[in-house]
Amino acid sequence: DIQMTQSPSTLSASVGDRVIITCRASQSISTWLAWYQQKPGEAPNLLIHRASNVKSGVPSRFSGSGSGTVFTLTISSLQPDDFATYYCQHYDTYSGTFGQGTKVEIK
Amino acid sequence: EVQLVQSGAEVKEPGESLKISCKGSGYSFSSYWIGWVRQMPGKGLEWMGIIYPGDSDTRYSPSFQGQVTISAAKSISTAYLQWSSLKASDTAMYYCARLGEPITTLSWFDPWGQGTLVIVSS
Repeated sequence: DIQMTQSPSTLSASVGDRVIITCRASQSISTWLAWYQQKPGEAPNLLIHRASNVKSGVPSRFSGSGSGTVFTLTISSLQPDDFATYYCQHYDTYSGTFGQGTKVEIK
Repeated sequence: EVQLVQSGAEVKEPGESLKISCKGSGYSFSSYWIGWVRQMPGKGLEWMGIIYPGDSDTRYSPSFQGQVTISAAKSISTAYLQWSSLKASDTAMYYCARLGEPITTLSWFDPWGQGTLVIVSS
């Protein structure tokens, strides 16, 4: 089974900071990767699919990159609404595996 | 608007059975895979399995195979997650989510239902 590992697990940052979250796959997954944002008490919401395609309506400060085994989610200028937990997910024909999550906290 | 609406919270005792639901609207229900995701209290997301309502083709995570049953009734645009004998360790929030592209399983989850909280306690 492919394992997805996110780093860091927790990130403390200030409004306006550039934030980068990394997701590593245990083997190559091409660009079959999505990123989700989850706020407390809410369902997750899709931010990015196919590693770098930003969902329509998602603020332009969010971007994704990577292929193979290393992927990043970048928030170019952190806003108050962005304090949340972020998950990467690898999806393939028979399964889908989430990373353990990265909590972005207020510094 | 594409929407998934899940059934309400449940409180059950160990050993009881349960079936929770997820009703889709705003799209061709039969043409998109729907999945279930578990989130235990304070923990991350776990992919449980997916079903294609068009022909009921179902795929399970090895971790959940044999522990739950995923089904769908395309005539009423509803997917289900079922347990025959609940355990305390089944206490969690359960989300349904549609795959983002039709027919293929090579797709992300979007949108998501609002979640169904299942509490199993004696």
